[in-house]
Amino acid sequence: QVQLVESGGGVVQPGGSLRLSCAASGFTFSNYGMHWVRQAPGKGLEWVAFLRYDGRDESYADSVKGRCTISRDNSKNTLYLQMNSLTAEDTAVYYCAKDPSWESGFFDYWGQGTLVTVSS
Amino acid sequence: DIQMTQSPSSLSASVGDRVTITCRATQGISNYLAWFQQKPGKAPKSLIYAASTLQSGVPSKFSGSGSGTDFTLTISTLQPEDFATYYCQQYNSYPITFGQGTRLEIK
Repeated sequence: QVQLVESGGGVVQPGGSLRLSCAASGFTFSNYGMHWVRQAPGKGLEWVAFLRYDGRDESYADSVKGRCTISRDNSKNTLYLQMNSLTAEDTAVYYCAKDPSWESGFFDYWGQGTLVTVSS
Repeated sequence: DIQMTQSPSSLSASVGDRVTITCRATQGISNYLAWFQQKPGKAPKSLIYAASTLQSGVPSKFSGSGSGTDFTLTISTLQPEDFATYYCQQYNSYPITFGQGTRLEIK
């Protein structure tokens, strides 16, 4: 069965950096686009970034553009999100989500999430 | 960016009721609309894509309709496990955007 397991969250100071990982299993990772979606405490869902199956096309929300980089290692079945210049507004649970094809734009499976807290 | 607005923001209903949640886009998105269910402390669960197609394993009590700018999610014969927050999401164009959510509570 499809499994997505995020890791790398934690407490980081404002201005700091963090790299999130999402380990995928139960499907052929290299065939599917992948997304990051976040949810601030008590708030709704916010799409963050997308990466095509082959890593050749990516998109970002304006709120993270220039500060975050999505990447993947298909040999390790792992998706990443490098986050820099973090602010309190980046505090959220970060979910990785699988696209049902190489670039559909919606999600069929979600991970359980990893919490990022930006605080001094 | 395409803005998605759900109504109502919250809804009280009883077990056995049928409820409808509406989602409106600020511009036409064809049928590029998905619905998700989220329970407290849990990851979202995908319910519907292409406005009306159920994800595998989702019971037929959930149904979606609409095209263009106006969409609905209907849940029939509510059961205790259906009380959750529901989100719509457009994937017609980037950036992908979600509605603000509709919290469905037990009356």
